[in-house]
Amino acid sequence: DTAVSQTPKYLVTQMGNDKSIKCEQNLGHDTMYWYKQDSKKFLKIMFSYNNKELIINETVPNRFSPKSPDKAHLNLHINSLELGDSAVYFCASSAWGRGTTYNEQFFGPGTRLTVL
Amino acid sequence: GNSVTQMEGPVTLSEEAFLTINCTYTATGYPSLFWYVQYPGEGLQLLLKATKADDKGSNKGFEATYRKETTSFHLEKGSVQVSDSAVYFCALSDDASGGSYIPTFGRGTSLIVHP
Repeated sequence: DTAVSQTPKYLVTQMGNDKSIKCEQNLGHDTMYWYKQDSKKFLKIMFSYNNKELIINETVPNRFSPKSPDKAHLNLHINSLELGDSAVYFCASSAWGRGTTYNEQFFGPGTRLTVL
Repeated sequence: GNSVTQMEGPVTLSEEAFLTINCTYTATGYPSLFWYVQYPGEGLQLLLKATKADDKGSNKGFEATYRKETTSFHLEKGSVQVSDSAVYFCALSDDASGGSYIPTFGRGTSLIVHP
């Protein structure tokens, strides 16, 4: 049973389009994240939600909007796609709470976005 | 702010060679330290972790020791296999927001193991 799942796995689209990526976790975690990984494998955190509340919002164009309908889901909507948005996007989750058992991240398989 | 520096790759080795991937960090608090591995076409997965000074994390033959005095967490394996070919990420996390552990990742080191 997949712990963190994302759909779609591949997304090819034209510049200017709007697209969404969905993420679901069945680990019972309270915190979810979106990361962007570029072609050199550099991983950058974009957003983090805890119990449907936004807690991290890094410097990301406002064309990117996360939405968390419940604590098991965190979707990423991207408006007016640009060539530079091409990357692999990873969803992740972790438990919430003080103490060292709460700091491991569980990653989804990634969504490879290609903007033409 | 926090930062993680790891050696640039790719690291290319022959099977059964000894592996070291260096990682150093700066942190404002007392962080936990991690190594994550990313196999081709997959997401990252935790390889090992250490939560306090002198702790040694180990898994699948890989080891790393939390060295507070040198702010380092170097990854080692005595004998690598072709199946170890992947990208390895050093990371740290500390309590940034009352229970929210915001991770900081290094840039990743690609390991290529030849038969």
